[in-house]
Amino acid sequence: GESVGLHLPTLSVQEGDNSIINCAYSNSASDYFIWYKQESGKGPQFIIDIRSNMDKRQGQRVTVLLNKTVKHLSLQIAATQPGDSAVYFCAESQGAQKLVFGQGTRLTINP
Amino acid sequence: EADIYQTPRYLVIGTGKKITLECSQTMGHDKMYWYQQDPGMELHLIHYSYGVNSTEKGDLSSESTVSRIRTEHFPLTLESARPSHTSQYLCASTSSVDTQYFGPGTRLTVL
Repeated sequence: GESVGLHLPTLSVQEGDNSIINCAYSNSASDYFIWYKQESGKGPQFIIDIRSNMDKRQGQRVTVLLNKTVKHLSLQIAATQPGDSAVYFCAESQGAQKLVFGQGTRLTINP
Repeated sequence: EADIYQTPRYLVIGTGKKITLECSQTMGHDKMYWYQQDPGMELHLIHYSYGVNSTEKGDLSSESTVSRIRTEHFPLTLESARPSHTSQYLCASTSSVDTQYFGPGTRLTVL
């Protein structure tokens, strides 16, 4: 069946470094992808999204890359800060007005 | 910033009790969703609604029920809580098929 998953459950980076969080999806019909950030005790917060007709989209310190050939999605965070520590989820829209979420990657920023 | 609210934020109750988790949004969104999430794990859709008097079961089977009598309100009810219902419950809403905005969640513990 369709699934959205992440390659790594945890990721540690030094403050100020760039981080890359990866996500693999299996449904080639998915046409919309979202990254969420979830801090402890809070609900997921929207970070950035991308549609399947795009390869790259940039926000403030974040970039999402979409490779439809290998069904891979990544989130790049530039110059990481302590406040970036959280669990990051990717999600895909399969056209049925529902999102399918991946397992999440816990990002830890080391001082 | 999304205007979606959940109450209570934390709830500890005994087995067999009936509970209702509240979710309200002030954005006029037609679509609302309930997810269940164990700590640090992926979100699982348990209920959704595309409008007033419309409710559907999600991908994860749940003993809870929902109602949608008003656009802004989407409560979730457990008739008889059990320890297996212990989890975090997240409510979300959207005006489109895409970006969902989440509430802060209700952390439920059933003793």
